[in-house]
Amino acid sequence: QVQLVQSGAEVMKPGASLKVSCKASGYTFTGFYIHWVRQAPGQGLEWVGWINPNSGGTNSAQKFQGRVTVTRDTSISTAYMELSRLSSDDTAIYYCARGMAVGTAVDYMDVWGKGTTVTVSS
Amino acid sequence: DIQMTQSPSSLSASLGDRVTITCRASQSISTSLNWYQQRPGKAPKLLIYATSTLQNGVPSRFSGSGSGTDFTLTISSLQPDDFATYYCLQTYSARTFGHGTKVEVK
Repeated sequence: QVQLVQSGAEVMKPGASLKVSCKASGYTFTGFYIHWVRQAPGQGLEWVGWINPNSGGTNSAQKFQGRVTVTRDTSISTAYMELSRLSSDDTAIYYCARGMAVGTAVDYMDVWGKGTTVTVSS
Repeated sequence: DIQMTQSPSSLSASLGDRVTITCRASQSISTSLNWYQQRPGKAPKLLIYATSTLQNGVPSRFSGSGSGTDFTLTISSLQPDDFATYYCLQTYSARTFGHGTKVEVK
């Protein structure tokens, strides 16, 4: 079945960089966008960015530009989100989600990973 | 960036009630609007995309409407599984979630 399996929980120091992975299975990895969404404790959902696994093209929310890098390794059907210069405000659950099919116009996030809990603390 | 204003932030309702949640975009987003349900400790679940298209497997008591800047999610008859938090998401330009609506037991 279609699933996204994320890497395990992380405890990070302020100022460090974080890298979370998201391994896709059950579908053609290069055929669908991958989004990254985060949720701080007790807060709402916040979109971080996306990658087109076919082309490698990316986009991210303005507040993260310059600090987030989304990449992929098509040989192992895995997407990555790297976030630099961490602060306590980056403490959150980070989700990856499958987006729209490449080349189509109707967009949604239909399959989600279980989330990766990231704690930033000195 | 497009801002999404979702209301109410919370509501109390009883089983069988009709529930309506709204989202307003800061500019026209055509029909590029999705709705998600999130239960505590779980990942969000897609309910509706492109304003009114029900995702496979989602009960027909959920419906969506709107266009341009104003959108509505309606639950026609609230069921036990529906007590959760609901989010809208605009997909017109970049992506922006609404702040969520928590549906609680009255």
